[in-house]
Amino acid sequence: DAGVIQSPRHEVTEMGQEVTLRCKPISGHDYLFWYRQTMMRGLELLIYFNNNVPIDDSGMPEDRFSAKMPNASFSTLKIQPSEPRDSAVYFCASSWRGGQPQHFGDGTRLSIL
Amino acid sequence: GESVGLHLPTLSVQEGDNSIINCAYSNSASDYFIWYKQESGKGPQFIIDIRSNMDKRQGQRVTVLLNKTVKHLSLQIAATQPGDSAVYFCAEFGGGGSYIPTFGRGTSLIVHP
Repeated sequence: DAGVIQSPRHEVTEMGQEVTLRCKPISGHDYLFWYRQTMMRGLELLIYFNNNVPIDDSGMPEDRFSAKMPNASFSTLKIQPSEPRDSAVYFCASSWRGGQPQHFGDGTRLSIL
Repeated sequence: GESVGLHLPTLSVQEGDNSIINCAYSNSASDYFIWYKQESGKGPQFIIDIRSNMDKRQGQRVTVLLNKTVKHLSLQIAATQPGDSAVYFCAEFGGGGSYIPTFGRGTSLIVHP
């Protein structure tokens, strides 16, 4: 039974480059969440989807961040242009419905130089 | 805004001891709580949950206690093992069918052999 799958696991890139993070949720889960984790701010919710539709993106830091979910089995989080302060671990999580425990992927560790 | 917090950022115990990790929450309307365990390099993993109509729930070597009067949640780990070393997060759902959990900052549990 595959869990939430994220790729890449690590990404190192230079400031100004476009970064795309990918997520495959657990099959049958209707909710998908993107989080960012830093030592300073802990786990922050960026955006979440229900049945592929973005519901709340109020946590997205600024317009440089965008997320899509073209189908039930795939989502992307894009940062363009990237900045050093975007360095963090980005997690994707899914749940079979709202208000239920979220299942997290192992994250993408992003370093912007 | 209301938030979830933890009393102890780091807890060190000896192998075989019992561990207690505490969490204070401020939203009296919260009706569902989850404890997560996050090992180094991995995403948070569900451990145990409890609803507000209960004050205690037991799992395998873990017990969660909920005191709604003082808005306090605790996770007890019996016979702590080195494999229990991780960061533990509490998360609350704010009631009224809220789909989005609020995560605490986490407590690091270090188990010495």
